[in-house]
Amino acid sequence: DAGVIQSPRHEVTEMGQEVTLRCKPISGHNSLFWYRQTMMRGLELLIYFNNNVPIDDSGMPEDRFSAKMPNASFSTLKIQPSEPRDSAVYFCASSGGTNSPLHFGNGTRLTVT
Amino acid sequence: EDQVTQSPEALRLQEGESSSLNCSYTVSGLRGLFWYRQDPGKGPEFLFTLYSAGEEKEKERLKATLTKKESFLHITAPKPEDSATYLCAVQPPYNTDKLIFGTGTRLQVFP
Repeated sequence: DAGVIQSPRHEVTEMGQEVTLRCKPISGHNSLFWYRQTMMRGLELLIYFNNNVPIDDSGMPEDRFSAKMPNASFSTLKIQPSEPRDSAVYFCASSGGTNSPLHFGNGTRLTVT
Repeated sequence: EDQVTQSPEALRLQEGESSSLNCSYTVSGLRGLFWYRQDPGKGPEFLFTLYSAGEEKEKERLKATLTKKESFLHITAPKPEDSATYLCAVQPPYNTDKLIFGTGTRLQVFP
């Protein structure tokens, strides 16, 4: 099992540019989560999907952030336009059900200058 | 507001020096409490799930316990490879998909 795969591992971009982060969940997992981690706030849930349907996006900071899950094996998180305060590590995680633990990818470190 | 607080923020131990990490929470009707380990540059890795007060889980040098208001992660005779950040997360009753994470305890074990 390859685990949750995220790309890119690192992204450096200039303020105002569009950024797209990608995630491939573990095969057979029906829930997918996007988290953001910073030193100050720790891990924060941005949005999650069940069976490819967005369930709760209340953690998405603002309209500049959007996420899609077109099929069971792929999800994207897009920031447009990006701002320096978006700099953080973004994690994707998947799980096989409500009481199943989350399996995290190794994250995308985003730096916006 | 539901909160998860971990202490201490950082802990330095000598190899073999046992200690405990604390996770306290304000969530009522907790459905589950999870412990994760996170190494630098990696995503959190699942360790344990606890569901009810009095429950204990063990894995190698780690033992997790749960009371009605807090959880402890006990580390017995730690080794340098136990160095990592340990995160706890709680599963509230109103949304069991939405884990609330603490900010973690950064553990360093020196030989």
